[in-house]
Amino acid sequence: AQSVTQLGSHVSVSEGALVLLRCNYSSSVPPYLFWYVQYPNQGLQLLLKYTSAATLVKGINGFEAEFKKSETSFHLTKPSAHMSDAAEYFCAVSDDLGRGSYIPTFGRGTSLIVHP
Amino acid sequence: NAGVTQTPKFQVLKTGQSMTLQCAQDMNHNSMYWYRQDPGMGLRLIYYSASEGTTDKGEVPNGYNVSRLNKREFSLRLESAAPSQTSVYFCASSAGTSGGNTQYFGPGTRLTVL
Repeated sequence: AQSVTQLGSHVSVSEGALVLLRCNYSSSVPPYLFWYVQYPNQGLQLLLKYTSAATLVKGINGFEAEFKKSETSFHLTKPSAHMSDAAEYFCAVSDDLGRGSYIPTFGRGTSLIVHP
Repeated sequence: NAGVTQTPKFQVLKTGQSMTLQCAQDMNHNSMYWYRQDPGMGLRLIYYSASEGTTDKGEVPNGYNVSRLNKREFSLRLESAAPSQTSVYFCASSAGTSGGNTQYFGPGTRLTVL
């Protein structure tokens, strides 16, 4: 069975500081991993995804994430936070449910707060 | 190209009332999903439809029914609403359910059950 743990329900940073949002997963097979972002009163949109190609994945808006199999982690980073990055971030993992279907399981989300 | 659309955006129901949430996508996607989002719980899958003509239960299907009306539309029905079903409901679609498929989400329906 697959599961996702996002450490920290809230992360607070100053504008211009490093953003680090943590995600650990469990999966019985090599997984597909995703980060989605949700801005207030909107649906989720894809930031980036890992699909077994390069372990360092670059996404939109300057975000990137590194797949570390030995640590079962897929942490999201951005070198310099911007006020517009304030949002809810969700990590998701999908692997084969045994019927050829890969349905993502989402973490509980981390709210990123950016201070001026 | 509207992507994924949901109606209504907001709804208030009384306990025991029924309603149907509508979802449509214009991306010619095969797979569609219904999630609910509750504070601190992330997104939990209610039902999904891997392809037209099929539906499967997700993590929290009790109290809900779905219909895949055609390739574009996937509706969620609450037959007898309960306060525990107060939530934000998101519909999503993807090209398929093979690994790595990106899900595209609608703007959500905010449902309150009194």
